[in-house]
Amino acid sequence: TQLLEQSPQFLSIQEGENLTVYCNSSSVFSSLQWYRQEPGEGPVLLVTVVTGGEVKKLKRLTFQFGDARKDSSLHITAAQPGDTGLYLCAKEGAQKLVFGQGTRLTINP
Amino acid sequence: GAVVSQHPSWVICKSGTSVKIECRSLDFQATTMFWYRQFPKQSLMLMATSNEGSKATYEQGVEKDKFLINHASLTLSTLTVTSAHPEDSSFYICSAHYRGEMRGIGTDTQYFGPGTRLTVL
Repeated sequence: TQLLEQSPQFLSIQEGENLTVYCNSSSVFSSLQWYRQEPGEGPVLLVTVVTGGEVKKLKRLTFQFGDARKDSSLHITAAQPGDTGLYLCAKEGAQKLVFGQGTRLTINP
Repeated sequence: GAVVSQHPSWVICKSGTSVKIECRSLDFQATTMFWYRQFPKQSLMLMATSNEGSKATYEQGVEKDKFLINHASLTLSTLTVTSAHPEDSSFYICSAHYRGEMRGIGTDTQYFGPGTRLTVL
């Protein structure tokens, strides 16, 4: 059972467009992490958010943590082909990570 | 950032043989490591939690006698797939747990290895 719902599951857009990926849960997170995984590699941590309402920026990526700490979003501005990959949100509990089902993003040149 | 390595990066074996995969934390000590399995186009599924000096904790539905885990030191955990079959073919990823702090809030971060692609013929 997935405790984290990510949407959309697949997204294919043209280079230069903007996009938003969502991660939702019915329960409160103490913190939430976003990862990006490229084919044949392990996930790489992008950001950890811990405070409700928090916004973090990583170049063209903007991460938001909902005020109620039940949801998060990742917004990419002016997407580039190098942004292609599987984006995963994960919440921690008892040292374990529970992953969303992922959003597979393809940026077409 | 913290570095975790896995060896081998890929392996092909015959059905019925056993395969050992190593996971190492290179620049920090990890009392806890995790093993995941990922099938094509799917997310990561936790298989087990590997605890240094004690038995691993397996997730529901994961056969502990088939997937043997040993965490003999603070920097090394191994996963042995015993009597492998084609349905065990998958991408196996380990991670090492790092406990940190962010604005006074304890955070648990996992640093992932690059994965091992297992193909059982």
